[in-house]
Amino acid sequence: AQTVTQSQPEMSVQEAETVTLSCTYDTSESDYYLFWYKQPPSRQMILVIRQEAYKQQNATENRFSVNFQKAAKSFSLKISDSQLGDAAMYFCAYRRYGGYQKVTFGTGTKLQVIP
Amino acid sequence: NAGVTQTPKFQVLKTGQSMTLQCAQDMNHEYMSWYRQDPGMGLRLIHYSVGAGITDQGEVPNGYNVSRSTTEDFPLRLLSAAPSQTSVYFCASSYSGQFEPQHFGDGTRLSIL
Repeated sequence: AQTVTQSQPEMSVQEAETVTLSCTYDTSESDYYLFWYKQPPSRQMILVIRQEAYKQQNATENRFSVNFQKAAKSFSLKISDSQLGDAAMYFCAYRRYGGYQKVTFGTGTKLQVIP
Repeated sequence: NAGVTQTPKFQVLKTGQSMTLQCAQDMNHEYMSWYRQDPGMGLRLIHYSVGAGITDQGEVPNGYNVSRSTTEDFPLRLLSAAPSQTSVYFCASSYSGQFEPQHFGDGTRLSIL
């Protein structure tokens, strides 16, 4: 079974600084997708970034980028120039490739942004 | 704004009562799903649907029923509420070809006494 582990329950970052959230996963598959979701205090979850395992290039979305290390099964999220609006729970997630496959979520990292 | 609409936002039930959580989306998404979020456990899939008339179980389906009579609506029914079903429930949708949830509702905080 696939598992997703986020070992940092909470992190903090100064406004305008850079922070990296860690995620590791376990799978025997070679093709899959990885995601980072953001859940602000308002509760509505947002898909932040998506990475396809067969692509070596790391995905980026504006100030959000990932460091995807397939061999190490590591998928970290880097937030550059942190803003107060980045304060949220961040969930790492995994999905197998092909057809409708369920998404497995990690337990989340709560990010605090300090003004 | 277009998106996923969940009702109600809060609900308190007594053990044994039944209720339906409503979910509607106006983006013509084929895929819809229900998750529950419990402290320290991330989101877990309850049921999902890949189109009208087609539903399937997720990883924690016991005690819940779903139906999908239209593309827009995907209600979740609690048959006989139990305290273990106290949780925050999220409905999500995505378009054909991108199976992971893209749009989430605001959630329903459900307490079972």
